[in-house]
This record gives sequence, C-alpha cells and structure tokens, in this order.
Amino acid sequence: DAGVIQSPRHEVTEMGQEVTLRCKPISGHDYLFWYRQTMMRGLELLIYFNNNVPIDDSGMPEDRFSAKMPNASFSTLKIQPSEPRDSAVYFCASSSTGTGVPYEQYFGPGTRLTVT
Amino acid sequence: AQSVSQHNHHVILSEAASLELGCNYSYGGTVNLFWYVQYPGQHLQLLLKYFSGDPLVKGIKGFEAEFIKSKFSFNLRKPSVQWSDTAEYFCAVRGSGGYQKVTFGTGTKLQVIP
Repeated sequence: DAGVIQSPRHEVTEMGQEVTLRCKPISGHDYLFWYRQTMMRGLELLIYFNNNVPIDDSGMPEDRFSAKMPNASFSTLKIQPSEPRDSAVYFCASSSTGTGVPYEQYFGPGTRLTVT
Repeated sequence: AQSVSQHNHHVILSEAASLELGCNYSYGGTVNLFWYVQYPGQHLQLLLKYFSGDPLVKGIKGFEAEFIKSKFSFNLRKPSVQWSDTAEYFCAVRGSGGYQKVTFGTGTKLQVIP
C-alpha cells in the first residue's frame, strides 16, 4: 500500500482565499483523522471520521474550517476564508480496528500551508 | 477527558548518552499508550505501544518504554542514542472505551550531537 496520501504537499495562498487540503487514507482503514501541527500549539486533533461519518469535530478551530469525507477513500479539509494564523502543517492519518496494530494511526506526509 | 504532558520540550545529548523522555497522562480508566517519532521533514511514525501485559515494552531502533500505572507515566528510554535519533518524539494516550481518539503530547525535540 502507498500509505496515506496527502495533496498538495505545500500550499502558499493569500489571506482571504479558500484552501482545500486532500487526503486518501490507507485502503481498508475505517477511521480518518485531521491534525494541525504548529510550533506554538503542537499537534492538535481537528476532526475524525469513522466510516465516513464525522465523530468528533470539537477541535475544529472555527466555522472557517470544514471537513468532508464523501467516501471511504477521500477526505477534504477546507479553510474559507484563510488567515495567516492558519499557517501550519496539516496531517491526515488513518487507522483500522480490523487489522494490524489496533488504533495505530498511520500518518500522511502532511501539507505545509502558508497564508500570507 | 484524557490528557498527556511531556515536560521536556528540548533535549540535547551527545552520541552514546542514555535517553529518558518523560510522559505523564491523565485518564481515569484503562489506557493505551503510544510513542511516535517524527524525523525532520517527515511524518509521524509509531515507535512503540502499550496495551496490556508486560509494562516494559520494546519498540523499534532500540527504544523501550515502561508503563508505571501508579505514576500515570510512560517514559521513553534508550541506553545509547545515535545522531540518527535526532527527531521529535510524541507521547500519546487513548482511553479504552471503543473510541479511536488519541490525544498527543506537545512533543519533545531531541537533538543528538555527534
């Protein structure tokens, strides 16, 4: 398996623009997580899905952030409008209760977002 | 709610020195515990985990961690570090309860000097 795939790897955008981050989880995994990593706040869980259904979005910072998982192989995290304080590395991770190490999360390479 | 504390934010060691990174968690019930490593410019990878049984768990690359329930701790150790161990290390906890949510600590940056 290719692992968790995220795109783009780097995104530079201007304040006020819409940003969409994409994630393809490992095939067969039924959980998907979105994290944000910054120097100041460390690694924060934004939202996670189980079988494409959002379970906990309490970490989503504000209404400008939204996440969807239309099917088992694709998820998006959207920021609209973007602000400089959204600059961070955004990680997607997936896991499975069915096989392998229970609850081990496999992380993607991350998307480094810079909002100017 | 579960939480994790990593008190060492930045550790600098010389090669061959011994390593111990602290991790304390807060949760009222049974827990699953993890250590993840993030090498520079890379994503997080699982180093080791504890679910049950022997509280001393061994992971990859010579790392081990000991779960001490009475102290709510899960410290990471390595007897002799190498330059290639330079990375950021994250402790994480999951409260057993059927949910997948894992709470990560703020991370400890380890710098190993050749």
